Amino acid sequence: NAGVTQTPKFQVLKTGQSMTLQCAQDMNHEYMSWYRQDPGMGLRLIHYSVGAGITDQGEVPNGYNVSRSTTEDFPLRLLSAAPSQTSVYFCASSYSMLGTTIYFGEGSWLTVV
Amino acid sequence: KNEVEQSPQNLTAQEGEFITINCSYSVGISALHWLQQHPGGGIVSLFMLSSGKKKHGRLIATINIQEKHSSLHITASHPRDSAVYICAGLTQGGSEKLVFGKGTKLTVNP
Repeated sequence: NAGVTQTPKFQVLKTGQSMTLQCAQDMNHEYMSWYRQDPGMGLRLIHYSVGAGITDQGEVPNGYNVSRSTTEDFPLRLLSAAPSQTSVYFCASSYSMLGTTIYFGEGSWLTVV
Repeated sequence: KNEVEQSPQNLTAQEGEFITINCSYSVGISALHWLQQHPGGGIVSLFMLSSGKKKHGRLIATINIQEKHSSLHITASHPRDSAVYICAGLTQGGSEKLVFGKGTKLTVNP
């Protein structure tokens, strides 16, 4: 039982490049979500999914795409990286949001130059 | 707008002291999660509360629904408790989303 596996841990991108942050969980959780964490600000929700085939936008979705083709995987795609997307990204999963434990990935440090 | 406010922003204590971190939230929040973020960045879930009180080891979390306020207490604090503590409110009414406070950085000195 690996929990939530998030890759890569560190990445440097040039402005305009695209990339995918991978997130996988092996706990059969329905709810998965992506957050970004910036200095002086709380974690902010980018996109989330309540099950395979279902995704929705969070607070800061612009510049990011997601898909949920399986219960296990929830990749986050940066379409055309911008310096404003320099941040630490966290993936999380839980069976549901209410009454259950949330499991976080270890984080991905992304720098866009 | 759903909001979560934490206080204090920074907290320094001596080993053994009793610690309290506060979290106030707005209408539209149905439950609160308390999280711990270690210096290396990893985030661990401590508690989820929708009413009452929960205890795990030296950690105690309480919530007052009427006052829209929650507290996280650490008894007999230890340097290994040094971390950022984050409260996150679960929004109610349809989609389940978390709204996060900015965190409280706790430093416990030996």
